[in-house]
Amino acid sequence: DVVMTQTPVSLSVSLGNQASISCRSSQSLLHDDGNTYLSWYLQKPGQSPQLLIYLASNRFSGVSNRFSGSGSGTDFTLKISRLESEDLGVYYCFQHTHLPLTFGSGTKLEIK
Amino acid sequence: EVQLIESGGGLVQPKGSLKLSCAASGFDFNGYAMSWVRQAPGKGLEWVASISIKTQNYATLHVDSVKERFIISRDDSQSMVYLHMNKLKTEDTALYYCTVSATGAFPYWGQGTLVTVSS
Repeated sequence: DVVMTQTPVSLSVSLGNQASISCRSSQSLLHDDGNTYLSWYLQKPGQSPQLLIYLASNRFSGVSNRFSGSGSGTDFTLKISRLESEDLGVYYCFQHTHLPLTFGSGTKLEIK
Repeated sequence: EVQLIESGGGLVQPKGSLKLSCAASGFDFNGYAMSWVRQAPGKGLEWVASISIKTQNYATLHVDSVKERFIISRDDSQSMVYLHMNKLKTEDTALYYCTVSATGAFPYWGQGTLVTVSS
C-alpha cells in the first residue's frame, strides 16, 4: 500500500501568516495516463471533509486562491496564505493513483 | 446543488449486517463513479469502496479489510448508491461518508451515517 506521510502532525499559525503542509508518498503518484492523482481536503470541526486541491495543483471550484498545491512524484505541499480563522481544521492529502486508495493521517491547523 | 444524503447507520452486533444508502441529486449521477469513505471516532479518513459507471461495467473496488464482507452497488434509475455490510466487526465502527468520485478526487461529500458495532 502507498503510505502517505504528512508533516507536521499539527501546527499553530497566526492570523494573516502562511501555513505549509507537506505530504510524501512511498511511491510516485504519477499515473500511467500522465496525471498525478494527489488531492487535498480540509475537515473543519464537526463537518464533512471538503475538497481543496485536485491533480496536485488545481484548485476546486469556489476554493479561495489563498490555497495552493504543488509538487510531483512523491513530494507535495499545500500552502495557505493570509491565514483566516475559517481555515482551522484537519488537512488531509489523498492519493488515487495506486490501489488501495490512501489518505494521509492528517495535519491539524490551529490559529495562534 | 449537489446533495448526498446517507442513511441506514445504527447500532449492530458483531457479525451482524447493515445496508447503507446514499441518495444523490443535483448532478448527472449516471456519469460519475461513487465511493464510500469512513472515519472511525477521533481518527482519520479511510477509503472503503468505489463503483464506476455503466460504460465501465460498474466495476467495483474495495479496500482489503472489507473484501468478502462489504459490497458497493448502485441503482442509476434511483440515483442511489449502497454499501452492503456483512460480518461486521467492532473495527468497522465509523462515520460512513458517501462521495462523488471525479478526476481522482472526491469533490462532494454527504454528512455521513454512523455505524456502531458493539455487543
